[in-house]
Amino acid sequence: AQKVTQAQTEISVVEKEDVTLDCVYETRDTTYYLFWYKQPPSGELVFLIRRNSFDEQNEISGRYSWNFQKSTSSFNFTITASQVVDSAVYFCALRELYNTDKLIFGTGTRLQVFP
Amino acid sequence: DGGITQSPKYLFRKEGQNVTLSCEQNLNHDAMYWYRQDPGQGLRLIYYSQIVNDFQKGDIAEGYSVSREKKESFPLTVTSAQKNPTAFYLCASSINTGATYNEQFFGPGTRLTVL
Repeated sequence: AQKVTQAQTEISVVEKEDVTLDCVYETRDTTYYLFWYKQPPSGELVFLIRRNSFDEQNEISGRYSWNFQKSTSSFNFTITASQVVDSAVYFCALRELYNTDKLIFGTGTRLQVFP
Repeated sequence: DGGITQSPKYLFRKEGQNVTLSCEQNLNHDAMYWYRQDPGQGLRLIYYSQIVNDFQKGDIAEGYSVSREKKESFPLTVTSAQKNPTAFYLCASSINTGATYNEQFFGPGTRLTVL
């Protein structure tokens, strides 16, 4: 069965600390995509990144980086030198090849960055 | 600007009343989705539509209804049959459901409270 687990319900850090948000997924499909979304207090989900199951290269975008490891079914998200504006709920999501209509979300991790 | 609009932002309903949430997109996307978000939970799919005049039930369709008469619009009706309708409702769209890699774009959401 397909499932996305974000075990960290809430994380609190002080500005400039690095923080890693964990995402573990389950799927029986060999072809799939993984996504990360950010939900700021305003409520709208903002797309951050997409990664396909055949590309295990790490991705870096500014202070954001993502580590995809198929061996452990994980797609972790690291924010370097966190800022107060990073405070939000972050969702990891899975989309399978044979079930393209569904985006399966984890329960989210609330990140609070204190000044 | 291109995007997804949802209205109203806040909605209050008395028990036993039906209420309709609006979702409009000007991204020329084929597919549209409705999600429900409850505190501490991920997003759960209510209904989705791949094309005008066609839609499918998601995981929690009971007590909800939708229509897709125009490509740009996908209103959601929360009926009196929905036992626990208080939640945050998010509308999303994507360019083509047939491609696994397409991300979904989200609107700002409607917070529904039943009094």
